[in-house]
Amino acid sequence: AQRVTQPEKLLSVFKGAPVELKCNYSYSGSPELFWYVQYSRQRLQLLLRHISRESIKGFTADLNKGETSFHLKKPFAQEEDSAMYYCALIAGTASKLTFGTGTRLQVTL
Amino acid sequence: NAGVMQNPRHLVRRRGQEARLRCSPMKGHSHVYWYRQLPEEGLKFMVYLQKENIIDESGMPKERFSAEFPKEGPSILRIQQVVRGDSAAYFCASSPRQNTGELFFGEGSRLTVL
Repeated sequence: AQRVTQPEKLLSVFKGAPVELKCNYSYSGSPELFWYVQYSRQRLQLLLRHISRESIKGFTADLNKGETSFHLKKPFAQEEDSAMYYCALIAGTASKLTFGTGTRLQVTL
Repeated sequence: NAGVMQNPRHLVRRRGQEARLRCSPMKGHSHVYWYRQLPEEGLKFMVYLQKENIIDESGMPKERFSAEFPKEGPSILRIQQVVRGDSAAYFCASSPRQNTGELFFGEGSRLTVL
């Protein structure tokens, strides 16, 4: 069965500092990985997916199959990045998206 | 295009009562997913439905929980004889196609069992 692990419940960084939100997964095949974000008082929404290899709001994430990781990175954190971030995986022909427990990013001045 | 609509946003029930949570997917979406979020935990998959069919209910508790998505009307998650452990946020999501990780979420329904 697939599993997503986000080891940090809370990550606190200063404005302008680099950000790395960790995500590791377990699945023997080739999964699709996603990052979802939930800003304060807003609904959960898709941030980015690995197959599109794009940068959204300055965030990027690279799938590392050797380390089974999909860490989310941003070189310079902004206050508006403060939110809850969830890593998620869908595997093969599975019908469901599996989420990690989430990491709260707190960007302070 | 209105987003995924869930109601009620907040529901309070006493132990033993029934809870019904409703979800209207986005227009044009025929795939609905229910997730539960317990305190200090992530989103746990419960059930995946298409119109009039349950596709995957591997995350549903065996007893007291049921879900439907009729031909007309919203999807409904029903919890019978609620217990305190059912207190959680229940999220609905929809998508226009199957086997996708791109889901559109509702704002959630928070159930509190007294």
